[in-house]
Amino acid sequence: GEDVEQSLFLSVREGDSSVINCTYTDSSSTYLYWYKQEPGAGLQLLTYIFSNMDMKQDQRLTVLLNKKDKHLSLRIADTQTGDSAIYFCAARVGSGNTGKLIFGQGTTLQVKP
Amino acid sequence: SQTIHQWPATLVQPVGSPLSLECTVEGTSNPNLYWYRQAAGRGLQLLFYSVGIGQISSEVPQNLSASRPQDRQFILSSKKLLLSDSGFYLCASTDRNTEAFFGQGTRLTVV
Repeated sequence: GEDVEQSLFLSVREGDSSVINCTYTDSSSTYLYWYKQEPGAGLQLLTYIFSNMDMKQDQRLTVLLNKKDKHLSLRIADTQTGDSAIYFCAARVGSGNTGKLIFGQGTTLQVKP
Repeated sequence: SQTIHQWPATLVQPVGSPLSLECTVEGTSNPNLYWYRQAAGRGLQLLFYSVGIGQISSEVPQNLSASRPQDRQFILSSKKLLLSDSGFYLCASTDRNTEAFFGQGTRLTVV
């Protein structure tokens, strides 16, 4: 089956690192994504990783992929209050243009000053 | 890159009234198109996806339907809205490139 799961809530202090975790079930997932949603807004793509990669770093963001365990994480270094939002993990299931995009339920990140 | 146009941004409709939300895509051809719903404080639920004109897959049983009359047009409809149809509806598009693009969403309140 196709399922993506995340923890629902994470609270950190400003300046600390945040780690948001995600697991997925479909081993045919080709791309895995992290999206950010601020209150009342649409979804903003933060970063993505292809399934043959283990790690991707983009400024303060680090994505780690453990394909064997079907586990994805997003680490935000030096977390700021502006990082407070809901973070969605998503998996593109299937190949090429026929793949579906399945989302987790979102992790609310609260950053305390 | 793609641009997704979705309208209206907000909508208040009475129970039992019809619904039509439209989504159009620029900057690509033959995309996969998606309708998602986000209930208040909840995650994104995939409602429909389409791999081509006239091809619609329904992911959950519901009061809604979708149609794709043109390659880059995706419409979400209902004949009679229910209170439980309230939520934030997002249209999305993917193609052979990596990124999925989203519209700005429609906030539907059924009263």
